Amino acid sequence: NAGVTQTPKFRVLKTGQSMTLLCAQDMNHEYMYWYRQDPGMGLRLIHYSVGEGTTAKGEVPDGYNVSRLKKQNFLLGLESAAPSQTSVYFCASSSWTSGDAETQYFGPGTRLLVL
Amino acid sequence: KNQVEQSPQSLIILEGKNCTLQCNYTVSPFSNLRWYKQDTGRGPVSLTIMTFSENTKSNGRYTATLDADTKQSSLHITASQLSDSASYICVVSALKDSNYQLIWGAGTKLIIKP
Repeated sequence: NAGVTQTPKFRVLKTGQSMTLLCAQDMNHEYMYWYRQDPGMGLRLIHYSVGEGTTAKGEVPDGYNVSRLKKQNFLLGLESAAPSQTSVYFCASSSWTSGDAETQYFGPGTRLLVL
Repeated sequence: KNQVEQSPQSLIILEGKNCTLQCNYTVSPFSNLRWYKQDTGRGPVSLTIMTFSENTKSNGRYTATLDADTKQSSLHITASQLSDSASYICVVSALKDSNYQLIWGAGTKLIIKP
């Protein structure tokens, strides 16, 4: 099993450009998440999904959109990139039991630089 | 406001030595607490998970403790190895509006020197 994979690994954008980050998991997990990680701060949840066709806002959703058309894929879109979106983006997935999502499994991350 | 604070921010120790990392939280209502290890350039990987009723949980040379009364947790690493160099992140799960919310600490960066 590959676990959680992310593409691309690194990207440079100019302000105003758009892009889509792709996350795929092969563990048949119901839950999927997108986080950003900035120096000196904890991981911050951008959006998440509790199942195919569903999405929900996290802590810092502004400037991002997501889609989960297939259970194994979770896409994160930036419609008009801003320098404040320079960050490392992590995708994660988890199963669901007893009303609490289980341990999350993370991808290797995507480093995004917005100039 | 739910918060997770970790100390120290960074720590340098010699290979073979022990160390303890701290996590204090103000999260309510508490569900569980996890410790993750994050190697440089990689995603976090789970080390331990503890619920309210658990005081200690081990995973090899890693031992996590939880004091739910004082809202403190610690991660003790025994006989450190160079591969232990990483960031260690404390994460607390809380029930909010019928959903579970994870509150992530900023992490402690641990460097093991030969």
